[in-house]
Amino acid sequence: EAGVAQSPRYKIIEKRQSVAFWCNPISGHATLYWYQQILGQGPKLLIQFQNNGVVDDSQLPKDRFSAERLKGVDSTLKIQPAKLEDSAVYLCASSLGERGDEQFFGPGTRLTVL
Amino acid sequence: AQSVTQPDIHITVSEGASLELRCNYSYGATPYLFWYVQSPGQGLQLLLKYFSGDTLVQGIKGFEAEFKRSQSSFNLRKPSVHWSDAAEYFCAGRRGSARQLTFGSGTQLTVLP
Repeated sequence: EAGVAQSPRYKIIEKRQSVAFWCNPISGHATLYWYQQILGQGPKLLIQFQNNGVVDDSQLPKDRFSAERLKGVDSTLKIQPAKLEDSAVYLCASSLGERGDEQFFGPGTRLTVL
Repeated sequence: AQSVTQPDIHITVSEGASLELRCNYSYGATPYLFWYVQSPGQGLQLLLKYFSGDTLVQGIKGFEAEFKRSQSSFNLRKPSVHWSDAAEYFCAGRRGSARQLTFGSGTQLTVLP
């Protein structure tokens, strides 16, 4: 069974530029999550999708971050414009159910904002 | 606020020694608790989870954890550590009715030969 795929693995941009991350969850998983993991901290949930609907985006900085999940499968997370404090690893995870009782994580995208 | 706390930022043990990583929670009701491991450059992998029932939970890779309501703890243990266990370990939890999982700040484990 293929795992959660993410691309790119690494991205370096300058502040005020835009960036997008892509995630392909495990086939059949209805729930998809985007997390931000700042160095030295645990992952923080940015947004959770159930199929292609948003169920929790309370911690997403909506003035600069956006996310979508087309057709309830792949997802894209965008930052526009990026700030220095956005430097982090962005993790995508998926789970069968809505409660996220077992989440499967991708390898993450490491973003550096200069 | 409901949260999960990992008091140890970094732990070093010798290969073959026993291991205990601490996790404390502050949920009012019985929470759902998890331990994840993250190796360098990789995503998180679930080691074990506790929902209810037997307070001693067995996981993968020889890990176990014990839920202690009186101490609000869910510590991870392994009787004999292998060099391949060197990684970062995250405790996570949520209330029974909640969707969102809250992660602790992690404990970095170093294993000495």
